[in-house]
Amino acid sequence: EDQVTQSPEALRLQEGESSSLNCSYTVSGLRGLFWYRQDPGKGPEFLFTLYSAGEEKEKERLKATLTKKESFLHITAPKPEDSATYLCAVQTDSWGKLQFGAGTQVVVTP
Amino acid sequence: NAGVTQTPKFQVLKTGQSMTLQCAQDMNHEYMSWYRQDPGMGLRLIHYSVGAGITDQGEVPNGYNVSRSTTEDFPLRLLSAAPSQTSVYFCASQQGSYNEQFFGPGTRLTVL
Repeated sequence: EDQVTQSPEALRLQEGESSSLNCSYTVSGLRGLFWYRQDPGKGPEFLFTLYSAGEEKEKERLKATLTKKESFLHITAPKPEDSATYLCAVQTDSWGKLQFGAGTQVVVTP
Repeated sequence: NAGVTQTPKFQVLKTGQSMTLQCAQDMNHEYMSWYRQDPGMGLRLIHYSVGAGITDQGEVPNGYNVSRSTTEDFPLRLLSAAPSQTSVYFCASQQGSYNEQFFGPGTRLTVL
């Protein structure tokens, strides 16, 4: 059975303190791995898609990487506005059915 | 573009009542889906559609019905609401097989 596990469940950072979030997956045939950001009371907002092991993508203070078993979301020198829940999801079929992890709640304090 | 819109934002139902959650998108996306989000469990797929007239079940379809008569709209019907259906519901749309999904703002449903 396909599984997506995110760790840690929660992360509290000081402003400027870099850290990484983990998304490990056990699936039969990865078609894509997606990272989303979700603010309280809102829908998930797309960040990155990774398709193959070794791929990396960056956006401002965020960098996503992918191996054959896991993905990392690195947050470099975070700011309070980076506080959110970060979700990863995997796609294993040809039409967009996503399986989500439970998310990592990140709080960045000034 | 308004993107993906959902109505209502909040709803309280009594056990046994029925209702329809509305979802619309103005991006001409082929693929639409419904998820529910419960604390500690992430988002789980309820139903999805790959085009007008085509729907299929996701991971947790029991108690929900969908139809897709137009590209723009994908309503989710609760036939007889149960307390276990208390959740936040998100609709999403996608263009192409491997592209990102765009999510609506969600509907918070409470069943008493």
